[in-house]
Amino acid sequence: EPEVTQTPSHQVTQMGQEVILRCVPISNHLYFYWYRQILGQKVEFLVSFYNNEISEKSEIFDDQFSVERPDGSNFTLKIRSTKLEDSAMYFCASHTSGSYGYTFGSGTRLTVV
Amino acid sequence: GQSLEQPSEVTAVEGAIVQINCTYQTSGFYGLSWYQQHDGGAPTFLSYNALDGLEETGRFSSFLSRSDSYGYLLLQELQMKDSASYFCAVREGSSASKIIFGSGTRLSIRP
Repeated sequence: EPEVTQTPSHQVTQMGQEVILRCVPISNHLYFYWYRQILGQKVEFLVSFYNNEISEKSEIFDDQFSVERPDGSNFTLKIRSTKLEDSAMYFCASHTSGSYGYTFGSGTRLTVV
Repeated sequence: GQSLEQPSEVTAVEGAIVQINCTYQTSGFYGLSWYQQHDGGAPTFLSYNALDGLEETGRFSSFLSRSDSYGYLLLQELQMKDSASYFCAVREGSSASKIIFGSGTRLSIRP
């Protein structure tokens, strides 16, 4: 069964450093998302991406965040200057046109120290 | 504003039936989804209701009442592996639209 692949599975970074989280969505999917989940809390929407541009972003997705689809397969989330409160599990998700169920990747656990 | 309400915890016995309710208040509504998440795992899609009524997928069923802004997930013949968190999620718009998750219900199953 096709999978959404995320790397790395765990990233530890110092406060103020830049991190890039990587995702490879399922090949025929057209809609891409980043969500995050702080430990024990709900899954929160960050950004949606379609047709090589951001469709929508949440209040969490401020100027420190950016997304790219650099080569038609990878989908990246960059945090320019990490803060302690950015520590969370970050999930990439995708779906195809007409599909209502998102396929989530296994996530990247980001720990900012 | 947006809000999705579901119980924080539910406990049930193996082999029994359990219902997890969800009420929602969102700016738009295209459908209600349910996701399962085991500890340390990713959310996994279970079901989607766009229209009123019951959708059945094996041991799991999901119900929607748009007029009541209410839905539920019904799990039958509970197995220990069903112990997980269950999230309802509202799709507010068309294909490119995000889904908004509820706070999740932690289901614990006793032998």
